[in-house]
Amino acid sequence: DAGITQSPRYKITETGRQVTLMCHQTWSHSYMFWYRQDLGHGLRLIYYSAAADITDKGEVPDGYVVSRSKTENFPLTLESATRSQTSVYFCASSAGADTQYFGPGTRLTVL
Amino acid sequence: QKEVEQDPGPLSVPEGAIVSLNCTYSNSAFQYFMWYRQYSRKGPELLMYTYSSGNKEDGRFTAQVDKSSKYISLFIRDSQPSDSATYLCAMTDNQGGKLIFGQGTELSVKP
Repeated sequence: DAGITQSPRYKITETGRQVTLMCHQTWSHSYMFWYRQDLGHGLRLIYYSAAADITDKGEVPDGYVVSRSKTENFPLTLESATRSQTSVYFCASSAGADTQYFGPGTRLTVL
Repeated sequence: QKEVEQDPGPLSVPEGAIVSLNCTYSNSAFQYFMWYRQYSRKGPELLMYTYSSGNKEDGRFTAQVDKSSKYISLFIRDSQPSDSATYLCAMTDNQGGKLIFGQGTELSVKP
């Protein structure tokens, strides 16, 4: 199906483990983004990418790693998960400098 | 002080009421303004998009931007229970991709 998908939708992991969240879009959008959403903080940008092999930090990048070898994929890796990374993670994509389209989210719990 | 301020609510109104949602911002460089609607446990979806100042209407929804006051609004006429959701304002300047979101206002429309 066309659009933007995220996997897994739900994930429970333990402190210290590595976790990778996947994001895939079928629009060939240049821009892709990762956000986390927490009560009291709204949506906060973790990392974004303007094109394949170009990534940049957002507001809260510490503890996260991204890569973008293909235009359509933008995985987010938590190298050593901490409880403070328990959150809902949203991936988004955009064709330009404005409108972003969001995926359904991944609900991550770190025990 | 946050770049974008939005009253988190919650806001509860009876069906048929006119709803006014607002955001203020501090960065005069913002040119693109958006409203997203987010249903519970779903990703945000774009509702309204406005460039620079002025009004935009789409059905029961009207978006207003007042750049001189750094203030944007979303009006919902004849509100319906299906409008119950969290509404997030978002904005950006002309430079590549990064949206700044408000905290979101939780709206409940009671039958």
